[in-house]
Amino acid sequence: AQSVSQHNHHVILSEAASLELGCNYSYGGTVNLFWYVQYPGQHLQLLLKYFSGDPLVKGIKGFEAEFIKSKFSFNLRKPSVQWSDTAEYFCAVNFMDTGRRALTFGSGTRLQVQP
Amino acid sequence: SQTIHQWPATLVQPVGSPLSLECTVEGTSNPNLYWYRQAAGRGLQLLFYSVGIGQISSEVPQNLSASRPQDRQFILSSKKLLLSDSGFYLCAWVPGQGVTGELFFGEGSRLTVL
Repeated sequence: AQSVSQHNHHVILSEAASLELGCNYSYGGTVNLFWYVQYPGQHLQLLLKYFSGDPLVKGIKGFEAEFIKSKFSFNLRKPSVQWSDTAEYFCAVNFMDTGRRALTFGSGTRLQVQP
Repeated sequence: SQTIHQWPATLVQPVGSPLSLECTVEGTSNPNLYWYRQAAGRGLQLLFYSVGIGQISSEVPQNLSASRPQDRQFILSSKKLLLSDSGFYLCAWVPGQGVTGELFFGEGSRLTVL
């Protein structure tokens, strides 16, 4: 069965540090890829998405992610984090050829940025 | 613009009592609708999704059920709650013709079963 893995469950960084959160999936077919973010007390919102084309996609608030098909990965990056980036981050995948019309989410990564 | 509403926002229920969580989407027609449950450290688990009135797909066998009595209304129910039903329930929608899968989430309903 298809699955999505996020290896970092809790990450603590200082402001201005660089961030990379891992996301891998298990599926050999076509995928659409997403990163969602949930700030404290707020609802889930889309950070960025990949459907096709340039595998390096840019999202809101300086975040970017790179799709590496050969590694089945879609890692999230930010060169310099801010205290306001403290949130929970979820990777999600739409496995396009399965007929399942729903996103599969990873277990999430809680990011804590210390001032 | 499209909006999604969930209620109640918070609910405390005794074990064995019934449950009804409601979700309504406005400003769109024929959306795909979803119920997810969010548990700490476990991400978002898909419970049910619906591509049309009366059409429900269940992802996991459990104590819950879902119904879609109207195009933009999605209800999550239980006849008898278990302690393990506690969690944060999220409703989400996708445009009916959208094939990308991008979800738009409601603000969630926090259920505590005592």
